[in-house]
Amino acid sequence: GAVVSQHPSWVICKSGTSVKIECRSLDFQATTMFWYRQFPKQSLMLMATSNEGSKATYEQGVEKDKFLINHASLTLSTLTVTSAHPEDSSFYICSASSRGAGYGYTFGSGTRLTVV
Amino acid sequence: GQQLNQSPQSMFIQEGEDVSMNCTSSSIFNTWLWYKQDPGEGPVLLIALYKAGELTSNGRLTAQFGITRKDSFLNISASIPSDVGIYFCAGQRETSGSRLTFGEGTQLTVNP
Repeated sequence: GAVVSQHPSWVICKSGTSVKIECRSLDFQATTMFWYRQFPKQSLMLMATSNEGSKATYEQGVEKDKFLINHASLTLSTLTVTSAHPEDSSFYICSASSRGAGYGYTFGSGTRLTVV
Repeated sequence: GQQLNQSPQSMFIQEGEDVSMNCTSSSIFNTWLWYKQDPGEGPVLLIALYKAGELTSNGRLTAQFGITRKDSFLNISASIPSDVGIYFCAGQRETSGSRLTFGEGTQLTVNP
């Protein structure tokens, strides 16, 4: 159990376009989902936390108008990178947590975004 | 900052050797988690610790939640080539709700 599916696994887009990344909990209801960004050879940096049905809470320094997060259901959260620029190229990873289920924090397989 | 102090940063060992890595912090944690990340993949949970002093095993892996709640270690016994990867500790701080703080990672290389 505790499977999180993230899609797409990689995407290449042109500067100025927007990209949407989906994160789904397949076999449990995720009360909270998290979005991380990871640069090569570095650790995961939390971007934002989202609870189903409420606005996401962004970490300091993360532009909420650039990284739009929607958590409309207990099994789906989306991250949209708006007006992407080359410096947004990175590895984006979501994770999901279910209160009381003892699943810890299960991660998706990540999305490699390259902006050209 | 957001990160835990994880050491060592990298390890190069021979197959069959035991490995130990740890994470420390000045903050108190309610939960400690250990993950392994392969290139191009998301982290995979290895062991979760929820109680101070707790010692938990998962096959050749053993992890402990420090009694002070400010540290944790992970041991891997009899390493094999597929243990290669980056190992991260992560903790849920007492004062940060459900958010996780990550260590910098330990890059493990196992020579056959």
